[in-house]
Amino acid sequence: DVKVTQSSRYLVKRTGEKVFLECVQDMDHENMFWYRQDPGLGLRLIYFSYDVKMKEKGDIPEGYSVSREKKERFSLILESASTNQTSMYLCASSFSGQGNEKLFFGSGTQLSVL
Amino acid sequence: AQSVTQLGSHVSVSEGALVLLRCNYSSSVPPYLFWYVQYPNQGLQLLLKYTSAATLVKGINGFEAEFKKSETSFHLTKPSAHMSDAAEYFCAVSDGTGGYNKLIFGAGTRLAVHP
Repeated sequence: DVKVTQSSRYLVKRTGEKVFLECVQDMDHENMFWYRQDPGLGLRLIYFSYDVKMKEKGDIPEGYSVSREKKERFSLILESASTNQTSMYLCASSFSGQGNEKLFFGSGTQLSVL
Repeated sequence: AQSVTQLGSHVSVSEGALVLLRCNYSSSVPPYLFWYVQYPNQGLQLLLKYTSAATLVKGINGFEAEFKKSETSFHLTKPSAHMSDAAEYFCAVSDGTGGYNKLIFGAGTRLAVHP
């Protein structure tokens, strides 16, 4: 079975902390994505990566950075966590193609910033 | 810019009744359109996708959706709801730029099914 694994299901951090969210996929996918999910807003794209060491900003990149040193791993970094970053974070991956490839999602990390 | 609007944040149906979840899109180029479902405490999984091959698309679990260019719509339907269909449903659009599969999602519709 294909898998996208997010390292933590629940995470509680304090304001100002540096936070790392890790995502690993075992499908040899080129593309990887970080979304945040908030009630009434759906999923919003933070960053994505189409190759190792390559990254592109999504729609809401402010306050976040990413790292992709290996093809299977995509990390989301909150440099200085703030309360408005309390959210569900979803990682996804896909093959490259014509833009209509299926995304595979992890189960999510619920981050609370106090 | 692309966008997706899902009409109705909550829909409630009786078991056995028709399910209709509405999605309208905005795109300057022929779009790829998707429906994803999220069950409690899980990530999203693909229900179906439209890629211009046929306007009526059949997906998993008895769901289907029809692409109507004139109405810029891609509504999701199921003839007979089952209790296990209770979940949150997301419509999404991609313009295919660069092959990145970058999706823009709607706000989601939570479907409740009651006996």
